[in-house]
Amino acid sequence: DTGVSQDPRHKITKRGQNVTFRCDPISEHNRLYWYRQTLGQGPEFLTYFQNEAQLEKSRLLSDRFSAERPKGSFSTLEIQRTEQGDSAMYLCASSSPLTVLSGYTFGSGTRLTVV
Amino acid sequence: TQLLEQSPQFLSIQEGENLTVYCNSSSVFSSLQWYRQEPGEGPVLLVTVVTGGEVKKLKRLTFQFGDARKDSSLHITAAQPGDTGLYLCAHNYGQNFVFGPGTRLSVLP
Repeated sequence: DTGVSQDPRHKITKRGQNVTFRCDPISEHNRLYWYRQTLGQGPEFLTYFQNEAQLEKSRLLSDRFSAERPKGSFSTLEIQRTEQGDSAMYLCASSSPLTVLSGYTFGSGTRLTVV
Repeated sequence: TQLLEQSPQFLSIQEGENLTVYCNSSSVFSSLQWYRQEPGEGPVLLVTVVTGGEVKKLKRLTFQFGDARKDSSLHITAAQPGDTGLYLCAHNYGQNFVFGPGTRLSVLP
């Protein structure tokens, strides 16, 4: 296992289009998180899965955002009707219950640019 | 949400210099993490501190957790260009972590 993988690394889209990102966590990690990071800021929590259950969603996650983890393995984050304010780095991280207090393993992120 | 403040926001130094960056809050934390993030990559965990007054060393990096567990510092000795990056502190909040805004360090050769 080579860590947390995210695809694509970069995405440029026109305003109003829908985009979907994928995250493959470390295989033995049952917890998966999505964060968003804008320039000059630290990552901001979006949502969290334990296995296939989405247990927590931030107020940052508007109705245009939806995340799934259908089989408790990979996850997708979809943004509908993208807006320029959605431009950011979208980071996925995973952890196991035994190591949750020891921090996450992050992927390299998907950088979204909405033009 | 318990906010974390980091200072300085930006730091540019010459190779070989020493530096300290800070992470502060008015709240008490059970643990605190430090991450380093290189441009275009995700953050990488450096260390977790859990005990007030704890000092951890990672090669040229020294991390300290304040006695009252409200603040932490990261000291880098003889900085190298490879230390360049965004240094983030984070604390556990429920089932997720809350991050500070980071200190952006640039080490010039």
